[in-house]
Order: sequence, then structure tokens, then C-alpha cells
Amino acid sequence: EEQLVESGGGLVQPGGSLRLSCAASGFFVSDNYMSWVRQAPGKGLEWVSLIYSGGNTYYADSVKGRFTISRQKSNNTLFLQMNSLGPEDTALYFCARVRGTSYFDLWGRGSLVTVSS
Amino acid sequence: EIVMTQSPATLSVSPGERATLSCRASQSVSSNLAWYQQKPGQAPRLLIFGASTRATGFPARFSGSGSGTEFTLTISSLQSEDFALYFCQQYNTWPLTFGGGTKVEIK
Repeated sequence: EEQLVESGGGLVQPGGSLRLSCAASGFFVSDNYMSWVRQAPGKGLEWVSLIYSGGNTYYADSVKGRFTISRQKSNNTLFLQMNSLGPEDTALYFCARVRGTSYFDLWGRGSLVTVSS
Repeated sequence: EIVMTQSPATLSVSPGERATLSCRASQSVSSNLAWYQQKPGQAPRLLIFGASTRATGFPARFSGSGSGTEFTLTISSLQSEDFALYFCQQYNTWPLTFGGGTKVEIK
């Protein structure tokens, strides 16, 4: 069964850093386009970042220069390194597999990130 | 960026009734529109892509229509398992953007 499981969320102070992980099973992360999407409390979904199978990466303007998407082939995992976090980054972060011209056909359950002092 | 507006925010429907959800784009997205279903505590699930193609695992009572700026998701006869949150997403233009969601609740 194809599955994505996020981890690494938690409470972090403003200005801090956190790294999210997304473990995939049933398919290979490195063979697919993968993305991170977040959902702030009571808000809609916001696309955050994408990595192509060839390695090119893209970011939303709101996180550009602060977040880095990467992957590790050996343990079939997607990552999101988040630096200089602010309260506006508080959200449930989902990893998702990308299909077609960028819709998402497989999602994890999310990992909650709370930025607060 | 393209703004996606969903209406209504909440839709109260009795089981067996028809539900019609709307998604409007601030500019044309052609047919590059997807719908997702999300239940509490669960991962979102792809429901529709290409505005009208149903994803694997969803029954025929779910249908999508529209192109350009106006889109509709119709659930022909609501079943108990259909009460959930539904999001639309455009993938015609970067950045990818989502609507705010429509919660379909039991009347």
C-alpha cells in the first residue's frame, strides 16, 4: 500500500528551526515529484514547496529563503528544513505526491508545527 | 496569484439528497482543477482532477464539471461517508492555490 507518514513537528520559538520528515512506502520518493502543503488553523491549504524527480526545487514566496526541501533515497524520505520560523508558519504540514501538471494524488496525515514563545 | 473561492463555506444536507459545491477562480485555469475530500484526522484524498475525471476509489455519485473560472462538484445522493470537507485546487498557474473549503455536514 502506498503511504506517506510525516513526523518532526512540534512547538518551536519564533526564530527557531525545525526539520520535518515524510517517510514513504509503496513507491520511491526520488522517482516522483513531491511537495509540502500546509494548513494554518482554521484556514485553507497553502502550497509550500515542490521537488522534481530531477532535483529542481520550487518554493512559495512566503517561505523562499527560509525553507529547504530535500529527499534521501536510502531511506525513501522527503524533508522540509524550516528556518527563521515565525508565528505565521504555525500550521499542519502535509507531504504529498504530485501528479500530472501538479495536483496531489497521495497525502500524509500531516505534522503540526506551532511557532510560539 | 490566482485566488480560488469556494461557496458555500458550509452546506447542510440530508442523507440521500444532492449536494452542489462551487469553486470559482479569479482568472481562467482552463480545466486544470482538482477537488479533494478531507475527513477529520485523516489525510486529504484526491477526488477529481482535470475538472471532471474521478480519482480511483470514488463512486460515480461524485462528479465534477466546469472550465475556465467556474467549477462545480456534485454529489448526487449523499451517503454518511460523504460528510467531510472539500477543497478545490488550481494547477494551471504557479503558485498552486487552493480554495478555502466547503464543509458538507448532516442536516
